[in-house]
Amino acid sequence: GQQLNQSPQSMFIQEGEDVSMNCTSSSIFNTWLWYKQEPGEGPVLLIALYKAGELTSNGRLTAQFGITRKDSFLNISASIPSDVGIYFCAGLKDHDMRFGAGTRLTVKP
Amino acid sequence: NAGVTQTPKFRVLKTGQSMTLLCAQDMNHEYMYWYRQDPGMGLRLIHYSVGEGTTAKGEVPDGYNVSRLKKQNFLLGLESAAPSQTSVYFCASSYGWGAQPQHFGDGTRLSIL
Repeated sequence: GQQLNQSPQSMFIQEGEDVSMNCTSSSIFNTWLWYKQEPGEGPVLLIALYKAGELTSNGRLTAQFGITRKDSFLNISASIPSDVGIYFCAGLKDHDMRFGAGTRLTVKP
Repeated sequence: NAGVTQTPKFRVLKTGQSMTLLCAQDMNHEYMYWYRQDPGMGLRLIHYSVGEGTTAKGEVPDGYNVSRLKKQNFLLGLESAAPSQTSVYFCASSYGWGAQPQHFGDGTRLSIL
């Protein structure tokens, strides 16, 4: 089945820097979701996007649902050490939900 | 305020053994899901359920069976474990499909020797 291409695979940034990651697919999705996973825990939903072109913020996080419905991006502004973790995108259509392989974020104080 | 609870958290099995992973949710969600997570890959859906007494296959169902006898519980069974089933298994639940976000448990780390 189709997979989501998430990039970059990993990022090493300095505290205070902005972060951007994205997810692309060859297929259309009706919903895009962004999750964060910390060691030993399950993914936690950060942002859900339901309409093409939608731009949604959650604190320092901003995500957009691409116009083509085949991509989405997540930005984190002014990163802090607790932003460390793996960020996953997920695309949802009908009864099919696909996840990206994740972006591992490391923030150096 | 438990949300989604998975048991056990860790398990080591020998090839050919069987076991059942339990998922329980206290949010009265209709939908429940079982995923596996392998290094370098995103979560992949094994089976899901749209309500009590119903189950359906996901992306990677082979080698697994599931049951949803009660609305709050979703069981994942391995009848004859294989090393390829070594993974971290996550259960999730949601009010509905489509635009409804899923709530995840903390995972079960399963090793098959």
